[in-house]
Amino acid sequence: GENVEQHPSTLSVQEGDSAVIKCTYSDSASNYFPWYKQELGKRPQLIIDIRSNVGEKKDQRIAVTLNKTAKHFSLHITETQPEDSAVYFCAAGLRGGYNKLIFGAGTRLAVHP
Amino acid sequence: GAVVSQHPSRVICKSGTSVKIECRSLDFQATTMFWYRQFPKQSLMLMATSNEGSKATYEQGVEKDKFLINHASLTLSTLTVTSAHPEDSSFYICSARDTDDLTYEQYFGPGTRLTVT
Repeated sequence: GENVEQHPSTLSVQEGDSAVIKCTYSDSASNYFPWYKQELGKRPQLIIDIRSNVGEKKDQRIAVTLNKTAKHFSLHITETQPEDSAVYFCAAGLRGGYNKLIFGAGTRLAVHP
Repeated sequence: GAVVSQHPSRVICKSGTSVKIECRSLDFQATTMFWYRQFPKQSLMLMATSNEGSKATYEQGVEKDKFLINHASLTLSTLTVTSAHPEDSSFYICSARDTDDLTYEQYFGPGTRLTVT
């Protein structure tokens, strides 16, 4: 069935370093790949997304890359700050089924001052 | 814009009772809403897709008679957990897609923490 794998499950970096989170999806029909940030007890917040017709997208310190052939997509955060600490989820949206999202397991990012 | 609310934010109920959770899109119309369940330190698991005016589509393994979904208007979907048991305790989050938005973005509600005693 539909599946999204996400790595690593935890990531610890020093402030100012870069952080990279990788995801792999199984359904080749997926065409929408959002990334969400979730703080403890809060709702997921969309931080960036990419469509299958684009290979890379950047928004200030955040960038996402997509390799459709390999069915991989990655989140890159540069110049990390302590407020970037949270759980990050990738997701893949399926073309059918009202574009439902299948989420990865999440990455707990800790940025140490 | 694109605000989704949920009510209640927290609820405690006794085993065997039913609980209704509301999900509302406040400033847009949502033909499609989604219900997720999230256990502590785990991912969001899609339970069902709710469509206005039609029956919900449940994911494999989700009991439709246990988790009743009604999407009676373009701004409201409800999830009723029937005959709740302690194992139903969880964080339930809804999301909604803007009917007029050509992107696929989903806007999430703040979640409802259900505790069944």
